[in-house]
Amino acid sequence: GAVVSQHPSRVICKSGTSVKIECRSLDFQATTMFWYRQFPKQSLMLMATSNEGSKATYEQGVEKDKFLINHASLTLSTLTVTSAHPEDSSFYICSASEGYEQYFGPGTRLTVT
Amino acid sequence: QKEVEQNSGPLSVPEGAIASLNCTYSDRGSQSFFWYRQYSGKSPELIMSIYSNGDKEDGRFTAQLNKASQYVSLLIRDSQPSDSATYLCAVRGRDDKIIFGKGTRLHILP
Repeated sequence: GAVVSQHPSRVICKSGTSVKIECRSLDFQATTMFWYRQFPKQSLMLMATSNEGSKATYEQGVEKDKFLINHASLTLSTLTVTSAHPEDSSFYICSASEGYEQYFGPGTRLTVT
Repeated sequence: QKEVEQNSGPLSVPEGAIASLNCTYSDRGSQSFFWYRQYSGKSPELIMSIYSNGDKEDGRFTAQLNKASQYVSLLIRDSQPSDSATYLCAVRGRDDKIIFGKGTRLHILP
């Protein structure tokens, strides 16, 4: 299957700072990438759909000014959590579509202190 | 509201037995169906895709699709302790968006 990478895998930051998470499709081009958040023992929550060369589409209730998404190339999408707060601590997972199938990156565990 | 429904479990199955996971979906126009496995603390991993009615087998896994009943299932034969995980059913609708179920926790008893 297709390979999606994410960096960093784990990050700890202080409240009020910003954190950038990178998502890369390694062996295919992805015109569409997705960002999810998952709290412990909860289901995946789609935050936004990232389209190469255009603005991201955010799900209802997700603040676009807080979660900045940039999809500058066919292999890279970034999610920046701005002015992070402890309640933003979560497991952030990106995914990318190749054909009909969707492949997930390994995830980034964000802890805001 | 398009939905994908799964029993949350936990489903406990003895080692070596067949584990049967079920999923129903609401969008009758859906065309693509997927099963993901997610270990605790890890991201989901695609294990099966199925696009047409009937069965699709891959090793110990068999996906079954019945579009008339809007029903997808995953059978795991010869269950192993390493199969213990949460299994997510996912459905791609006519709008091309993939909707995930909340997952079924499977526990294989040694």
